[in-house]
Amino acid sequence: IQLTQSPSFLSTSVGDRVTITCRASQDVASFLAWYQQKPGKAPKLLIYAASTLFSGVPSRFRGSGSGTEFTLTINSLQPEDFATYYCQELHSYSHSFGQGTKLEIK
Amino acid sequence: EAQVEQSGTEVKRAGATVKISCKVSGYTFTDFYMHWVQQAPGKGLEWVGLVDPEDGDTRYSEKFQGRVAITADTSTDTVYMELNSLISEDTAVYYCATGSRHRYGLDSWGQGTLVTVAS
Repeated sequence: IQLTQSPSFLSTSVGDRVTITCRASQDVASFLAWYQQKPGKAPKLLIYAASTLFSGVPSRFRGSGSGTEFTLTINSLQPEDFATYYCQELHSYSHSFGQGTKLEIK
Repeated sequence: EAQVEQSGTEVKRAGATVKISCKVSGYTFTDFYMHWVQQAPGKGLEWVGLVDPEDGDTRYSEKFQGRVAITADTSTDTVYMELNSLISEDTAVYYCATGSRHRYGLDSWGQGTLVTVAS
């Protein structure tokens, strides 16, 4: 299964709302997770089962979707949110990641 | 809360084998899968494979199948990833991370182990 994220780069500002899309080449049901990664650090789980917020993650992060199309929405971007975001499917044997979306400060 | 501690930096020659480790604490070792993820310099995340510490069952990405072996030692709560026939493209940071049996994502990550393959 291939995951395609869009956009790959996004230049945005503190306080903005951003939406990142992850499209799967096959149906992955709701077995989709989202991660945040900052330079030199390990990724952190944000969302699992497509829409469930992981413990301790701020409520401005929201996941939605099922099947082949998913979105990660971040409301009111904070300075600490500028990072790279990845989706991952856990439905198939391959557990593929998307190519990543980098959020940059405008 | 799960703690995941990985072994240190490795430098290997092309064609050699590397074995890196991941020691866990703070939870029952056999309750979760352990995944390995590769990240080449400046690149994205690539899933390598997983082990079920309860029975040693493994699953591997097609990209690494045949060159990788992931094992779990329940006496020391440690997971190992061995990668053989190293090539320069294997130069990367390798992360281990716990994952629930319900496929809820990878929730506790190690700090990463840098493997450098010198030609």
